Amino acid sequence: QLVLTQSPSASASLGASVKLTCTLSSGHSSYAIAWHQQQPEKGPRYLMVLNSDGSHSKGDGIPDRFSGSSSGAERYLTISSLQSEDEADYYCQTWGTGIVVFGGGTKLTVL
Amino acid sequence: EVQLVESGGGLVQPGRSLRLSCAASGFTFDDYVMHWVRQAPGKGLEWVSGISWNSDSIGYADSVKGRFTISRDNAKHSLYLQMNSLRPEDTAFYYCAKDVTSSGWKRFDYWGQGTLVTVSS
Repeated sequence: QLVLTQSPSASASLGASVKLTCTLSSGHSSYAIAWHQQQPEKGPRYLMVLNSDGSHSKGDGIPDRFSGSSSGAERYLTISSLQSEDEADYYCQTWGTGIVVFGGGTKLTVL
Repeated sequence: EVQLVESGGGLVQPGRSLRLSCAASGFTFDDYVMHWVRQAPGKGLEWVSGISWNSDSIGYADSVKGRFTISRDNAKHSLYLQMNSLRPEDTAFYYCAKDVTSSGWKRFDYWGQGTLVTVSS
């Protein structure tokens, strides 16, 4: 079964960097994922697609501070030079034949 | 600029029906798969349904199969979700989302702002 696992919460200081993790279920380590950001009281926003080899392509207008990387079944989103507006929920998403799966989301707090 | 604007949400009693609409602009609507995704208050995202560019391929989450119907009108650049036999657990913000492909399901590169559906007596 295709499942994405995310830690419920993360925190980091203003100006620092943070690395969020999304883990693919067993047998699905070759899957690409997408990262989405949801700021409070807003609709989600597409950040990037991230492939198993770590290559990634960002959405329109996404700052260079956002980057992705991969290792095995883990997919990472790194945000550098954290700003207050980065405080948001971050969801990973993947897809299979006829299905779309979301991770449970990580709530990022900027201290 | 890509825009997706949902409408049609509101308060509805259990067992009743509601139809959501999504007006799309800023891209060639009939080139892309479109989806509905929902989010219960304080919860995560849940894929609801998707439809291919020509409506030949349609899919539903198990939680809504048999009760919800997705459709599109390419001439009107619009996506719809007919929701029947609504249950309290269908209470959520409903988002319209554009896929990057014309067939199959992949990833969403644009989202709407959502419309709130509340199912309660």
